[in-house]
Amino acid sequence: DAKTTQPPSMDCAEGRAANLPCNHSTISGNEYVYWYRQIHSQGPQYIIHGLKNNETNEMASLIITEDRKSSTLILPHATLRDTAVYYCIVRFVISSGSARQLTFGSGTQLTVLP
Amino acid sequence: NAGVMQNPRHLVRRRGQEARLRCSPVKGHSHVYWYRQLPEEGLKFMVYLQKENIIDESGMPKERFSAEFPKEGPSILRIQQVVRGDSAAYFCASSPPNPTATTDTQYFGPGTRLTVL
Repeated sequence: DAKTTQPPSMDCAEGRAANLPCNHSTISGNEYVYWYRQIHSQGPQYIIHGLKNNETNEMASLIITEDRKSSTLILPHATLRDTAVYYCIVRFVISSGSARQLTFGSGTQLTVLP
Repeated sequence: NAGVMQNPRHLVRRRGQEARLRCSPVKGHSHVYWYRQLPEEGLKFMVYLQKENIIDESGMPKERFSAEFPKEGPSILRIQQVVRGDSAAYFCASSPPNPTATTDTQYFGPGTRLTVL
């Protein structure tokens, strides 16, 4: 799976949009971009994933650049409960059995400030 | 609609004892993954199982660790003769069978926190 680079930490004011960047310059055509988050001591929570088109769900939006070398996760109205470590992961989908794991990096610690 | 369940949530063992961690996947999911998170570190993949088969155990230590996902019942991660370095949070995830690009997503349980005294 392609390596990803994320800033180690970010702050965001409550109620404002949180924009979390991720670089994945070595991504290949068959790899998807996944975002998970881990609120302190809890299990990782799936947020969203996409291939090349922008995606939106009830939690967030995912913007992928045209060359697919980077992406941004947007939390439109951050709340204190969004404080967590956010992980950007690139992986093949529906690959052979040996490649189904998720490879977590260091992620971005997002702190939402009151 | 229950998510992934893990038990126990907290487990304390003395050095040399055995630890058994259980994971019940989302109903209908047939793929299970185990990850370990050491204190102040990221999550590391350990093993990937389908019903009655180990598909990928490349992240699991060769000694003392084993995993199974029987036809009936939960998946079990077993650690024999635990040592202090095994103290960590162990997370289980599951995903549905016959995945598509939309459905090939892993959903995680709350984890089991193992403390070895």
